[in-house]
Amino acid sequence: GAVVSQHPSWVICKSGTSVKIECRSLDFQATTMFWYRQFPKQSLMLMATSNEGSKATYEQGVEKDKFLINHASLTLSTLTVTSAHPEDSSFYICSARDPQRGGMNTEAFFGQGTRLTVV
Amino acid sequence: LAKTTQPISMDSYEGQEVNITCSHNNIATNDYITWYQQFPSQGPRFIIQGYKTKVTNEVASLFIPADRKSSTLSLPRVSLSDTAVYYCLVGDTTGGFKTIFGAGTRLFVKA
Repeated sequence: GAVVSQHPSWVICKSGTSVKIECRSLDFQATTMFWYRQFPKQSLMLMATSNEGSKATYEQGVEKDKFLINHASLTLSTLTVTSAHPEDSSFYICSARDPQRGGMNTEAFFGQGTRLTVV
Repeated sequence: LAKTTQPISMDSYEGQEVNITCSHNNIATNDYITWYQQFPSQGPRFIIQGYKTKVTNEVASLFIPADRKSSTLSLPRVSLSDTAVYYCLVGDTTGGFKTIFGAGTRLFVKA
């Protein structure tokens, strides 16, 4: 199947610093990617929709100035957690669909996730 | 987006068939039903998708009744490695459709 790759897989940063997480579609082009966060024992929570060449669309309650999203190319979206604090520690996951597969109804492919720990 | 309801958790033993049912009473005409599997500290992985009746692939079967208000994921002869969280999602999966996850079902397979 199509591959979505995230980097890094895990990161530890100091409180107050910024961290960038990359999400790449390796064998297809994605005009739209999605970013989720997941706390332990909880489900995935959609944070924002990343749109290539335009501004991201954030879900209610997600601070757009805190979580900066850039989708500069058809294969790369980045999520930057700015001025990170311990409460931002979480598992961040991106996903994308390959519009060339399966016609109208396609499965979403997920990255392996990034474990962020803010100390 | 149609809301889904699944059991919070299920236990099973190796070799048994496991059926996880999902309710989606407000499913729309264009909505498909998709199931994902997630292991700890990994991104979800697609299992199966269907619109009506029955769909089968190499890992699971999906049963959807005529009214489409529920669906059942069937995992034949589970093994310990099938211990995971299983999510049922309903929606129109075209283009930029955003995938909204419900609580999921934690399946624990015992030896």
